[in-house]
Amino acid sequence: GQNIDQPTEMTATEGAIVQINCTYQTSGFNGLFWYQQHAGEAPTFLSYNVLDGLEEKGRFSSFLSRSKGYSYLLLKELQMKDSASYLCAVSGGYNKLIFGAGTRLAVHP
Amino acid sequence: DAGVIQSPRHEVTEMGQEVTLRCKPISGHDYLFWYRQTMMRGLELLIYFNNNVPIDDSGMPEDRFSAKMPNASFSTLKIQPSEPRDSAVYFCASSRDRVNNYGYTFGSGTRLTVV
Repeated sequence: GQNIDQPTEMTATEGAIVQINCTYQTSGFNGLFWYQQHAGEAPTFLSYNVLDGLEEKGRFSSFLSRSKGYSYLLLKELQMKDSASYLCAVSGGYNKLIFGAGTRLAVHP
Repeated sequence: DAGVIQSPRHEVTEMGQEVTLRCKPISGHDYLFWYRQTMMRGLELLIYFNNNVPIDDSGMPEDRFSAKMPNASFSTLKIQPSEPRDSAVYFCASSRDRVNNYGYTFGSGTRLTVV
């Protein structure tokens, strides 16, 4: 079967750092994606990991450990506009993305 | 590039009516996906196409749902008859021929309300 787990909600303070974890069990693995989704909008691509390690992209970084079925998204220097849902998604076979339920992040002043 | 285009943005219909959602993928993208998003179930994959051919429709909830892709630039998702539990946001997404660094590009979605 396929299962992707991430926390439902998180809160953080403007300017701080937050880490959103994701664990997965899937049949086949072709990469792990993180998407950001603001309320009422479509998901937008943030990051992609296919090999173990850390990928850094500006204020956002994403880490993958394939042996542990684990990833995290790290957001630095948080801004109010980072308040959104963050979706972990795994690509199994056939280019098929399965999404986790998402983590709602609230950034407070 | 105009991105993935969906229509309508909002649809309100009465139970029992037929609903048709439309999607135009990004030109050159060989994969097209239909997702449904609700608070309870999150983003669920309904069906996807590769080169206009349906590859996996295991996520289609019932026979009331059907999807077609008559050509590379157009797809429809039809619900007939619609029911209140079908109320959700329906997203269409497209991607290039293989999983790559950019994942899928999503359309703006169609918010469907069945009353």
